[in-house]
Amino acid sequence: AQTVTQSQPEMSVQEAETVTLSCTYDTSESDYYLFWYKQPPSRQMILVIRQEAYKQQNATENRFSVNFQKAAKSFSLKISDSQLGDAAMYFCAYSLNSNYQLIWGAGTKLIIKP
Amino acid sequence: NAGVTQTPKFRILKIGQSMTLQCTQDMNHNYMYWYRQDPGMGLKLIYYSVGAGITDKGEVPNGYNVSRSTTEDFPLRLELAAPSQTSVYFCASSYRQQTGELFFGEGSRLTVL
Repeated sequence: AQTVTQSQPEMSVQEAETVTLSCTYDTSESDYYLFWYKQPPSRQMILVIRQEAYKQQNATENRFSVNFQKAAKSFSLKISDSQLGDAAMYFCAYSLNSNYQLIWGAGTKLIIKP
Repeated sequence: NAGVTQTPKFRILKIGQSMTLQCTQDMNHNYMYWYRQDPGMGLKLIYYSVGAGITDKGEVPNGYNVSRSTTEDFPLRLELAAPSQTSVYFCASSYRQQTGELFFGEGSRLTVL
């Protein structure tokens, strides 16, 4: 079965520090895409970062970067210089190139301490 | 800059009632999706559409129906509401299939009592 596991239900970090959120997934396919989405208290889901599995280089978007380990099927999100506005639920997800279904993890609640 | 608009934001239904969740997008996206989000769980795909007139089932379609008469609108109908359908529902759209970015609505919280 295709699954996504986020082993940390909740994480907290001091403002301005760095935090890493973990994600592992299970698929036998080789062509897929990985995503981190952010869901703030307003509920609207927003894409944070995206990684194509065929690319070895880790994706980076400003303070957000990923550590993609394809062999280990691991896709962690690193947030540098954490800000109060980063507080949210973070969801890891992947999709196969062959279908329309995103497989989602259960989410990690990120708390930013001022 | 409306993006994806869902209505209503909140609704309480009695068991056996029916209702329609409305979803409209103004980005001219071909692909649209309905997800449900249960507490402590990731999103589950209910139905999706790849263009006007074309819909297909996702992972959890039972108890729901959709239609796509226009590019903009993708309503989700709940027939004979059951407590198991208590959830937060999200509509999303994308320019390409799910290898691209999804744009989400703000969600609709539905409670069935």
